[in-house]
Amino acid sequence: IAGITQAPTSQILAAGRRMTLRCTQDMRHNAMYWYRQDLGLGLRLIHYSNTAGTTGKGEVPDGYSVSRANTDDFPLTLASAVPSQTSVYFCASSPDGSTDTQYFGPGTRLTVL
Amino acid sequence: GQNIDQPTEMTATEGAIVQINCTYQTSGFNGLFWYQQHAGEAPTFLSYNVLDGLEEKGRFSSFLSRSKGYSYLLLKELQMKDSASYLCAVMDSNYQLIWGAGTKLIIKP
Repeated sequence: IAGITQAPTSQILAAGRRMTLRCTQDMRHNAMYWYRQDLGLGLRLIHYSNTAGTTGKGEVPDGYSVSRANTDDFPLTLASAVPSQTSVYFCASSPDGSTDTQYFGPGTRLTVL
Repeated sequence: GQNIDQPTEMTATEGAIVQINCTYQTSGFNGLFWYQQHAGEAPTFLSYNVLDGLEEKGRFSSFLSRSKGYSYLLLKELQMKDSASYLCAVMDSNYQLIWGAGTKLIIKP
C-alpha cells in the first residue's frame, strides 16, 4: 500500500451499534487525525495523535474514541452510534504534527439509521 | 470563536482566471493552507502560506495578508478538471487546522 487507506469505504449502521473505522498509513508519519465532513460545514477534527501511544481530543470528540498502539494504525470507534454521526469520515496524517501538510485517506461514508 | 469565511459557490469560464477569497479569525496563526477536493474524493494539498505575499505554483497562486486576516487562491487558465471544492484552512496556536466550509467552483465551457 502507498499512502493512507481507510475501511470500510461505506457502511450503513443501525443506531446503538458499535462501529470501528480503520485507518492505516505506510508513510511512517508521526501524527494522525480523524475528521468528519458534513454538508455546508468545514472539516471538523474529532481526535488526533501526535505520536504512537498518545491521543488528544479535537473539536467534536463526544461519542468517539481512538487508540494509537503503533505508528501505522489509528482506528476510530463509535461506541453506540446515533443518527447525528451520519457523515463522511476522513483520516489524515502528517510527518510530525506541527505545520506539516496533512495527507488524507479516501474517506468512509457512514450512515446511521 | 474561530471562524473561516469563504464563498459557497463560484462559476467561471474555461480558460479564464478566478480568485477565491478566504478571511479568517483564529486563536493564533501558524500558517494557511489551501486544499482541492473533487466530489466524492479526499482533499489534496495545494498550497501553504505562513508569510505575507504571493506563492506561485504553476497555474495556481496563493496570497496571504496576516494583518488583514485574508488570503486568496488564484487559478489561471482554467480547465474543466479544476471543477472542485477549494478548502481554506488555518493552523491555530495549538497546531490544529480550522477549516472553512469550502468554495465549490463550477467551470463552464
